[in-house]
Amino acid sequence: KQEVTQIPAALSVPEGENLVLNCSFTDSAIYNLQWFRQDPGKGLTSLLLIQSSQREQTSGRLNASLDKSSGRSTLYIAASQPGDSATYLCALSGGYQKVTFGTGTKLQVIP
Amino acid sequence: DVKVTQSSRYLVKRTGEKVFLECVQDMDHENMFWYRQDPGLGLRLIYFSYDVKMKEKGDIPEGYSVSREKKERFSLILESASTNQTSMYLCASSLGGLSETQYFGPGTRLLVL
Repeated sequence: KQEVTQIPAALSVPEGENLVLNCSFTDSAIYNLQWFRQDPGKGLTSLLLIQSSQREQTSGRLNASLDKSSGRSTLYIAASQPGDSATYLCALSGGYQKVTFGTGTKLQVIP
Repeated sequence: DVKVTQSSRYLVKRTGEKVFLECVQDMDHENMFWYRQDPGLGLRLIYFSYDVKMKEKGDIPEGYSVSREKKERFSLILESASTNQTSMYLCASSLGGLSETQYFGPGTRLLVL
């Protein structure tokens, strides 16, 4: 059974800082890994999707990497802004439409 | 832009009531999903559907059923609501296949008294 861990559960940084969010998983037999953002009381917004054959994806100030051999993914946020404050979740797609989510990292960017 | 809508943002029901949560997507997606999200437990898959009238159990199907009569609509049914079903319910859809992005609705926060 796939287990997905995100540490830390919460993170507070000053505005402008570069930061890294971590996602660890136990089963490397995945199809893809996706990073989502969730604002309080809202649904999830997809940020980046990395296919199993890829090593990283970039979108604006965001860069996500995938290392299946070590069971890790990171989401790098450059020059953080208060608007980046949200909960960030990673999700892994395995076999037969199975998607397993981490419990998320709550990020607060302080002006 | 893909749009996934859910019928209610907030819902308050009493124990034993039958509850319907509706989800509609407008992008002709094959797959639709129902999750519940609870503090400390993350998102857990209740049911999903990969085609009209097709459904598959997720990790926690007990106490729930689903219906997909039309491609764009996926309903979650709580046959007899219980207090432990108080949660945030999230619907999602994807085009098809395992490599596709899931798009989420805004969620329904259900309180069962």
